Amino acid sequence: EPEVTQTPSHQVTQMGQEVILRCVPISNHLYFYWYRQILGQKVEFLVSFYNNEISEKSEIFDDQFSVERPDGSNFTLKIRSTKLEDSAMYFCASRLRTRGLYEQYFGPGTRLTVT
Amino acid sequence: GQQLNQSPQSMFIQEGEDVSMNCTSSSIFNTWLWYKQDPGEGPVLLIALYKAGELTSNGRLTAQFGITRKDSFLNISASIPSDVGIYFCAGRLNYGQNFVFGPGTRLSVLP
Repeated sequence: EPEVTQTPSHQVTQMGQEVILRCVPISNHLYFYWYRQILGQKVEFLVSFYNNEISEKSEIFDDQFSVERPDGSNFTLKIRSTKLEDSAMYFCASRLRTRGLYEQYFGPGTRLTVT
Repeated sequence: GQQLNQSPQSMFIQEGEDVSMNCTSSSIFNTWLWYKQDPGEGPVLLIALYKAGELTSNGRLTAQFGITRKDSFLNISASIPSDVGIYFCAGRLNYGQNFVFGPGTRLSVLP
């Protein structure tokens, strides 16, 4: 069964460093999402992406964040200068472009630890 | 922003018991998704609901889209140990495509 994959599974970085989190969405899906989940808390929407541009973004998704689909399979989230409070699980999700269907399928996540 | 509340926050049940949990909001939602999350893993989609009053089953799981469109319910029948995890509801508002997630219900199943 097709699934969303994410790499790395765990990333440790120092405050102020740039990180890139990678996702390979399900192959025939056309909408892509990034979410984050701080330990023990709920899942929070960051950004949605369709047709090579951002569709929506939340207040969390500030200028330090960017997304890119550099080729036909990868979808990346870049954090330009990490802060301690960026430590969280980051989930990628994708869904079909089918009118009226909104089921999003999540990847296993990348645990980001900023020290 | 819009808030979703889930109750109960956590629950401990005996294996074989039925489980009910709900998700409520002051806002009207057009789509509800229910997810289960195991520790250290991504949320797994259980059920999607699109119409007020809709009742949808997935094995031992049944979810309903509330008539008021401000709530949704998830029931698990005859619980088993692998049902342990955190159950999240997610709602999509009338506009946009992104979902708001609830804080989750943590389910523990005692043998």
